[in-house]
Amino acid sequence: GAVVSQHPSRVICKSGTSVKIECRSLDFQATTMFWYRQFPKKSLMLMATSNEGSKATYEQGVEKDKFLINHASLTLSTLTVTSAHPEDSSFYICSARTPTSGRPPDTQYFGPGTRLTVL
Amino acid sequence: GENVEQHPSTLSVQEGDSAVIKCTYSDSASNYFPWYKQELGKGPQLIIDIRSNVGEKKDQRIAVTLNKTAKHFSLHITETQPEDSAVYFCAASYRGADGLTFGKGTHLIIQP
Repeated sequence: GAVVSQHPSRVICKSGTSVKIECRSLDFQATTMFWYRQFPKKSLMLMATSNEGSKATYEQGVEKDKFLINHASLTLSTLTVTSAHPEDSSFYICSARTPTSGRPPDTQYFGPGTRLTVL
Repeated sequence: GENVEQHPSTLSVQEGDSAVIKCTYSDSASNYFPWYKQELGKGPQLIIDIRSNVGEKKDQRIAVTLNKTAKHFSLHITETQPEDSAVYFCAASYRGADGLTFGKGTHLIIQP
């Protein structure tokens, strides 16, 4: 399968600071990437859709000013958690979608996740 | 929006036996159904997927079946091995181009 990387794998920060998480598709170009959040022993919840060269689309209830998404190239999307608070502590996972013309087409491959802890 | 129900939440089987996990979805527009395996502290790994133009797909010990009329799909793992122990998630979306809606997951335990 295709390879998606995330950096960092773990981050600990103080309340009020901002944290940036990178998501890269290593062996294919992804015009669309997605950001998910997962609480311990829970399922994945879609936060936003990141489209290369345009604004991200956020799911209902997700604050766009708190979770800033940038998709500046076909292989990189970033999620910045601004003014982080302890309730933002979670496992953040990105996925990258293969192109419709790709093999396989329109398939999401996930990164390894980033564990964020806000003190 | 889409709602995906997954059962059971925990499944314990003897090594070598088969395991079946079932999911139902609510949105008839959904036509792409992937299954992911997640190990502790890692990201989900795609193990198999099916699109609504087929009713069954198989890859070695893993198979997925889809019933569009009843809006349910199932994961079948045969000849289970200890390394199959993990949490399995089903998901649904339109065409695979949209964000995925996940089920709540099934913790599969393979007993030696």
